[in-house]
Amino acid sequence: DTGVSQDPRHKITKRGQNVTFRCDPISEHNRLYWYRQTLGQGPEFLTYFQNEAQLEKSRLLSDRFSAERPKGSFSTLEIQRTEQGDSAMYLCASSLAVGWGQGVPYEQYFGPGTRLTVT
Amino acid sequence: GQQVMQIPQYQHVQEGEDFTTYCNSSTTLSNIQWYKQRPGGHPVFLIQLVKSGEVKKQKRLTFQFGEAKKNSSLHITATQTTDVGTYFCAHDETTDSWGKLQFGAGTQVVVTP
Repeated sequence: DTGVSQDPRHKITKRGQNVTFRCDPISEHNRLYWYRQTLGQGPEFLTYFQNEAQLEKSRLLSDRFSAERPKGSFSTLEIQRTEQGDSAMYLCASSLAVGWGQGVPYEQYFGPGTRLTVT
Repeated sequence: GQQVMQIPQYQHVQEGEDFTTYCNSSTTLSNIQWYKQRPGGHPVFLIQLVKSGEVKKQKRLTFQFGEAKKNSSLHITATQTTDVGTYFCAHDETTDSWGKLQFGAGTQVVVTP
């Protein structure tokens, strides 16, 4: 399967622990996005990358959240000192953007998500 | 960014019937994308609309973008059980770098056989 993959699919952690999620995009895609989705809501944009450059990080929910895409391929999302309010589905998506993505919007391909439960 | 409102929040449909779900904004949108999320699944891209008044069809699904680019609709004819899921509209918050999608809360569709 050449779709977007995410690991782990489920994570249960205790409050205060750090967690890291991985996303592997579709191989030819240069854009990678992170979203959070809570029950009954649509995905909420967190951050995105074009290749290894992080284009937006002001939407990360707090300074406990950080994301990297060091070689422009896979990405990691880390949450430090988790809180119960961090419990949610964390979705990754990828797309192919020409240049810096101006001109025409591109469809995003979502991965299966990582469900985080903070106890 | 601009909020988009989706109505209705829930839609119960008898198999074979038609229904329409709406996505509304108080401000002009640069584009609209529609995604479908099956129960327990992830969002899957359906269509994108960019031009004022644009209409696109995919088999039993018809998507429209309003003339003023402030609303969009998804119409499904002859609903089937495979249409079950939540339908989200989304739009780009800025036009300087596509991809910062803002999603509506979705319309959850339940189909009764």
